[in-house]
Amino acid sequence: QKEVEQNSGPLSVPEGAIASLNCTYSDRGSQSFFWYRQYSGKSPELIMSIYSNGDKEDGRFTAQLNKASQYVSLLIRDSQPSDSATYLCAVATTSGTYKYIFGTGTRLKVLA
Amino acid sequence: GAVVSQHPSWVICKSGTSVKIECRSLDFQATTMFWYRQFPKQSLMLMATSNEGSKATYEQGVEKDKFLINHASLTLSTLTVTSAHPEDSSFYICSASPASGLYQETQYFGPGTRLLVL
Repeated sequence: QKEVEQNSGPLSVPEGAIASLNCTYSDRGSQSFFWYRQYSGKSPELIMSIYSNGDKEDGRFTAQLNKASQYVSLLIRDSQPSDSATYLCAVATTSGTYKYIFGTGTRLKVLA
Repeated sequence: GAVVSQHPSWVICKSGTSVKIECRSLDFQATTMFWYRQFPKQSLMLMATSNEGSKATYEQGVEKDKFLINHASLTLSTLTVTSAHPEDSSFYICSASPASGLYQETQYFGPGTRLLVL
């Protein structure tokens, strides 16, 4: 069983729409969650981190965390073609050597 | 803030040679640095975790004698691919976590190094 799961997509949304990206994780004790964006051929860049249940907003991005359901999501409002990328969900481990467990990523396509 | 650099960004080498990749945290001290490898259209694969002043922790299946990691200071980690072969051709990315503070667990990624072994 995968520890962090994401739908690989592609998720296609029209320009200006809300894109909703989802991630589930298996370690109930996880406390730290991260969303990264990766453009083709580039390295990941941090979008947001979230640690508490509820919503966290930063510009057009909103991260949502529900620890009871072991679910974290990323909403992108007013999606732009430049948002087209792969979005990676990462969960920090809670035991052993500190590291991230990454999902396989969701490819987002914003159609102009 | 939180800038991580990698050098070189591109390297082409002959089979059998060794290649060293540097990863530097430019504006923060990094207790922990990570090395990832990514093949085309695949997700990131963690190779090893390095802590300043101690031996790296390698993930299962990663040959520690082939991928030598040194984390000599709080701002520099190096990955040496020894006796590189064409199957080692990949995109190598490092990341670094701040040594302390609120964002201690956040990983900041370098721009990556693309290695092509002929």
